[in-house]
Amino acid sequence: EAQVTQNPRYLITVTGKKLTVTCSQNMNHEYMSWYRQDPGLGLRQIYYSMNVEVTDKGDVPEGYKVSRKEKRNFPLILESPSPNQTSLYFCASSPLETDTQYFGPGTRLTVL
Amino acid sequence: AQSVTQLGSHVSVSEGALVLLRCNYSSSVPPYLFWYVQYPNQGLQLLLKYTSAATLVKGINGFEAEFKKSETSFHLTKPSAHMSDAAEYFCAVRFSGGYNKLIFGAGTRLAVHP
Repeated sequence: EAQVTQNPRYLITVTGKKLTVTCSQNMNHEYMSWYRQDPGLGLRQIYYSMNVEVTDKGDVPEGYKVSRKEKRNFPLILESPSPNQTSLYFCASSPLETDTQYFGPGTRLTVL
Repeated sequence: AQSVTQLGSHVSVSEGALVLLRCNYSSSVPPYLFWYVQYPNQGLQLLLKYTSAATLVKGINGFEAEFKKSETSFHLTKPSAHMSDAAEYFCAVRFSGGYNKLIFGAGTRLAVHP
């Protein structure tokens, strides 16, 4: 089944404790992206990647890092999480030649 | 700045009534337009998209949307609401030169009551 998977689905952590949220897609898509969803703000792009080893900042990249060492994986790294990063995070992927993005199920992160 | 506005953060309708969710965008060049739906505790699912073909776009679950360039709008409608339509709906836009980047509206939560 074609899908985007994220792990973990739920995470509660404390300020300053490094964490990684994994994202994997099995559709051989070139484009991958991370969004955060906050009430009243919709989804905002954090980082995106056009292909392996090609990443760039989105609209709200502060406090986040990403890497794209393999085509299928696009982990989101929070080196020193803070409470304002408490949010619902979505990974998405798409082929470069289409506009339809496929979303993962989301990761709800709480930083205390 | 390029933006997407969804009028009404909450919409409530009766089962069987018309659903109308509003979306306006700011751009002089017609972009690509999308509606996504998010059911509780799930990711986003594409309902429909406009990519410069027919201005009336039909999607899944009986939804459709009409692109109106003069009004810079892409409102989502469904003639008869069903209880299972209760969800949050997001309008998203890919502007010219945005290359796969989507800009989302704030979302509209649809409630359907008996």
